[in-house]
Amino acid sequence: GAGVSQSPSNKVTEKGKDVELRCDPISGHTALYWYRQRLGQGLEFLIYFQGNSAPDKSGLPSDRFSAERTGESVSTLTIQRTQQEDSAVYLCASSLRQLGYEQYFGPGTRLTVT
Amino acid sequence: AQTVTQSQPEMSVQEAETVTLSCTYDTSESNYYLFWYKQPPSRQMILVIRQEAYKQQNATENRFSVNFQKAAKSFSLKISDSQLGDTAMYFCAFSSGSARQLTFGSGTQLTVLP
Repeated sequence: GAGVSQSPSNKVTEKGKDVELRCDPISGHTALYWYRQRLGQGLEFLIYFQGNSAPDKSGLPSDRFSAERTGESVSTLTIQRTQQEDSAVYLCASSLRQLGYEQYFGPGTRLTVT
Repeated sequence: AQTVTQSQPEMSVQEAETVTLSCTYDTSESNYYLFWYKQPPSRQMILVIRQEAYKQQNATENRFSVNFQKAAKSFSLKISDSQLGDTAMYFCAFSSGSARQLTFGSGTQLTVLP
């Protein structure tokens, strides 16, 4: 079946603008995660959605970052008033509910803030 | 908080040889899962192998196997008969009941030489 998809694949924006990044998880996957990967580094957790539970926002670096998820489908990560340090690849992953199951990753969105 | 450490930023191996990538972690949890993901230049994160902490038997997947030493909190990845397609960044990752998101190490860039 289809994997996790993300759009756009690349986004260039000017400092101070808002951006929206989209993630379509695998159908039936109740858990959805957003991660950030700075150049040459590992992945940093941003936010986690599980079904209809309140999201775990503990990884969001500032209040400029927010995310929403509609039911168990699409999620949008919004970055307001972008800064140059926001430049990174933003990766989305989804998994079945149970702890320890594989997280399937999308191809990521490369964000460049000029 | 959980931490994952990969002390080898770069490694290389001759095609058909065997290589071992190191990973150590720190946690106070008893129920957790460990993963190795690979990220080729395409940026797509791919699960290589997964280990449940409660299982004493080391996981294996074809040419990939782990050496899981729970007391030492060590989780190394052995790649046998290395192939050119194994060239990628390899990330060790951890998840547990209290933090379902993955915590990643900083990665090891593996290059397989012809």
